[in-house]
Amino acid sequence: QKEVEQDPGPLSVPEGAIVSLNCTYSNSAFQYFMWYRQYSRKGPELLMYTYSSGNKEDGRFTAQVDKSSKYISLFIRDSQPSDSATYLCASNFNKFYFGSGTKLNVKP
Amino acid sequence: KAGVTQTPRYLIKTRGQQVTLSCSPISGHRSVSWYQQTPGQGLQFLFEYFSETQRNKGNFPGRFSGRQFSNSRSEMNVSTLELGDSALYLCASSLVAGISSGANVLTFGAGSRLTVL
Repeated sequence: QKEVEQDPGPLSVPEGAIVSLNCTYSNSAFQYFMWYRQYSRKGPELLMYTYSSGNKEDGRFTAQVDKSSKYISLFIRDSQPSDSATYLCASNFNKFYFGSGTKLNVKP
Repeated sequence: KAGVTQTPRYLIKTRGQQVTLSCSPISGHRSVSWYQQTPGQGLQFLFEYFSETQRNKGNFPGRFSGRQFSNSRSEMNVSTLELGDSALYLCASSLVAGISSGANVLTFGAGSRLTVL
């Protein structure tokens, strides 16, 4: 079992839709959870991170962690074509662990 | 503040050759990690260096090696290239190694895209 598992997608939604991206993890020691966004032919860039359980909002993006169920989510409101990218969830404990990525396509 | 710089950005090699990729971390970052990314396998961890010492290593054959210099710059080398080594090689840096904190997240470079013919 991988330390971080991610819905593989791909996911295709119309512009303006609410997007939900999801991951699960297995290591109870994980405390920090990160979301990276990767555009085609670029390196991943940190979108946001959260600590422990709860929500964190940054503009149209909300990261949510439920430690009781070991579930990580990223919500994108009013999705835009510029959000089309691969989204990777991650956590770190001694080293970093990444999900396999979900490719998102937002259609104009 | 300059980001993580990887060179070269693109390269083409033939089977059996060897390749060296370079990574300059963000100033002040002492930990450097390397990842291989392919469409089928996603992001795969190669190794992590901190203070010139390899801290962690992924499940790659011995043909893949790396090192870190005293200025935190890092290189990775792949010998006897195979077709399956074609991938995007990503370097990432963080302040320190082994610390789980919001301040110690990974920052990635743009990657070196290797094509093996």
